[in-house]
Amino acid sequence: KQEVTQIPAALSVPEGENLVLNCSFTDSAIYNLQWFRQDPGKGLTSLLLIQSSQREQTSGRLNASLDKSSGRSTLYIAASQPGDSATYLCAANSGNTPLVFGKGTRLSVIA
Amino acid sequence: GAGVSQSPSNKVTEKGKDVELRCDPISGHTALYWYRQRLGQGLEFLIYFQGNSAPDKSGLPSDRFSAERTGESVSTLTIQRTQQEDSAVYLCASSLNVREQYFGPGTRLTVL
Repeated sequence: KQEVTQIPAALSVPEGENLVLNCSFTDSAIYNLQWFRQDPGKGLTSLLLIQSSQREQTSGRLNASLDKSSGRSTLYIAASQPGDSATYLCAANSGNTPLVFGKGTRLSVIA
Repeated sequence: GAGVSQSPSNKVTEKGKDVELRCDPISGHTALYWYRQRLGQGLEFLIYFQGNSAPDKSGLPSDRFSAERTGESVSTLTIQRTQQEDSAVYLCASSLNVREQYFGPGTRLTVL
């Protein structure tokens, strides 16, 4: 059974700092690994999707990597801004199956 | 284009009443998923549809929960005889084949 863990649970950084959010998963037979952002009281916004054949994806200041052999993914945020403050969720699935979510990392970027 | 929509956005009900939550997926998306997020907790999977059939209902917490999908489009999640522990945000997502899942804004259910 797939389990997804995210560390740290919460993170506070000053504006402008580069940061890394970590995600680990127990079953390396994943098809998709997806990173989401959730703002308080809102739904989930998909940030990046990495398919199993890929090693990383980039979108603007965000870069996500995937290492299936070690069961890890990282989300790198460059030059953080207060608007980046949110909860970041990592989730994995195997093909057309439900995503298994981590509990998230709550990020606060202080101006 | 239009994303995933859910209605109502908020629902307050009394314990013991039945509620229906609706999800309109992105047009053409074959897969539809229901998840639940209780306060302060992670997302838990409820049920998944491929087309109009549900190959995986393993996440439904009890027989008070049921869901259907018609026309490979709209889905309804029904909770009968609601309990206070059913209070949560119910999230719907859709995807095209095995591609990324797109989430709706959720329905916040409060059972008094």
